[in-house]
Amino acid sequence: SQTIHQWPATLVQPVGSPLSLECTVEGTSNPNLYWYRQAAGRGLQLLFYSVGIGQISSEVPQNLSASRPQDRQFILSSKKLLLSDSGFYLCAWGTGNRQPQHFGDGTRLSIL
Amino acid sequence: DQQVKQNSPSLSVQEGRISILNCDYTNSMFDYFLWYKKYPAEGPTFLISISSIKDKNEDGRFTVFLNKSAKHLSLHIVPSQPGDSAVYFCAAIRPGANSKLTFGKGITLSVRP
Repeated sequence: SQTIHQWPATLVQPVGSPLSLECTVEGTSNPNLYWYRQAAGRGLQLLFYSVGIGQISSEVPQNLSASRPQDRQFILSSKKLLLSDSGFYLCAWGTGNRQPQHFGDGTRLSIL
Repeated sequence: DQQVKQNSPSLSVQEGRISILNCDYTNSMFDYFLWYKKYPAEGPTFLISISSIKDKNEDGRFTVFLNKSAKHLSLHIVPSQPGDSAVYFCAAIRPGANSKLTFGKGITLSVRP
């Protein structure tokens, strides 16, 4: 069966520090991968998606970037965090073709 | 521009009764709709979906209804159980979008014992 792992579960970072969140998927090949953010009191907003290694599409302009160095690995990064980067970050995978996406347990990021 | 709207932020229902969660959308290109359930500090889990070629899909206690002319869908939970207490997100997909999901803001359902 397929599983998705995200870490860390929680993270507290100072403003201006770098960020690296990692997501890995097991049990499937060539998945579509997605990064979402849920800000306080808001829905889930798609940040990035990837349909293959090295292929990244950004949905909203922001202070973050994403990379996919391996087929089942998706990384969310920032060089300098802003207060507005606080939120709950979720990684998801899917097969496309209007099939449901499956989410990891998320990372709660707090910027101080 | 919120293309998927869940206008009621919360709903409280007695155990055993029906829960009806509503969702409206504005983009007529959406052709596939999903409901997700989310507990605190966890990722959303998929509940049920419906294609635009259908008007109803049922899975156990969960039924989703789609009214395309009104651009409205609803999730019915019968009977409601305390374990159903969670945030429910409505999401939509449009063709050619790499199955990217557009989410609503979510509804917090509380089922009272």
